[in-house]
Amino acid sequence: GAVVSQHPSRVICKSGTSVKIECRSLDFQATTMFWYRQFPKQSLMLMATSNEGSKATYEQGVEKDKFLINHASLTLSTLTVTSAHPEDSSFYICSVRAGGTGELFFGEGSRLTVL
Amino acid sequence: GENVEQHPSTLSVQEGDSAVIKCTYSDSASNYFPWYKQELGKGPQLIIDIRSNVGEKKDQRIAVTLNKTAKHFSLHITETQPEDSAVYFCAASWSTSYDKVIFGPGTSLSVIP
Repeated sequence: GAVVSQHPSRVICKSGTSVKIECRSLDFQATTMFWYRQFPKQSLMLMATSNEGSKATYEQGVEKDKFLINHASLTLSTLTVTSAHPEDSSFYICSVRAGGTGELFFGEGSRLTVL
Repeated sequence: GENVEQHPSTLSVQEGDSAVIKCTYSDSASNYFPWYKQELGKGPQLIIDIRSNVGEKKDQRIAVTLNKTAKHFSLHITETQPEDSAVYFCAASWSTSYDKVIFGPGTSLSVIP
């Protein structure tokens, strides 16, 4: 069964609006979750590390005010794309690492299209 | 920080032949090396991983080898089948639950029936 659940799977929005993507860890509590972005035919690029109860750690070049991350509980992290523009259209994928083995499990991803 | 390179970017093999994908990493402290398969429109799925205390690991038709000295690791798929067609990503990391995982650029594998 799924370890990580992500919602919505697809979202289309108008330029200038904000979109929230939810990521839930189903099998275990996750103090840390990771958000990746993937453009067509490209690799997974780490955007930020989401930390439960504290601020997220953003990778170089990722705007923290544009990509708001909230990790309010041990099973839920959210990514909000604020004032979305067409160049933000991408596949956003969250992931969780298992505590003992360190295995990285991914959600099914969220396809964002900004018109 | 860690940097992962992967070759080839595309690979086409006949059904039944073997496929090999090679990766290198830059951070000698990395000790966890997973491989993922991604089908179109889906999230990546872990297919096999190897840790730095092991040189080789096999799971049915899939095997991974690791050369820590050279900082190389490779994925071997034997007896390829059309359903093996996908994009494969190698990655490198430390093995704790809070360390980030860095991915290679990916290899698009096509298995021709």
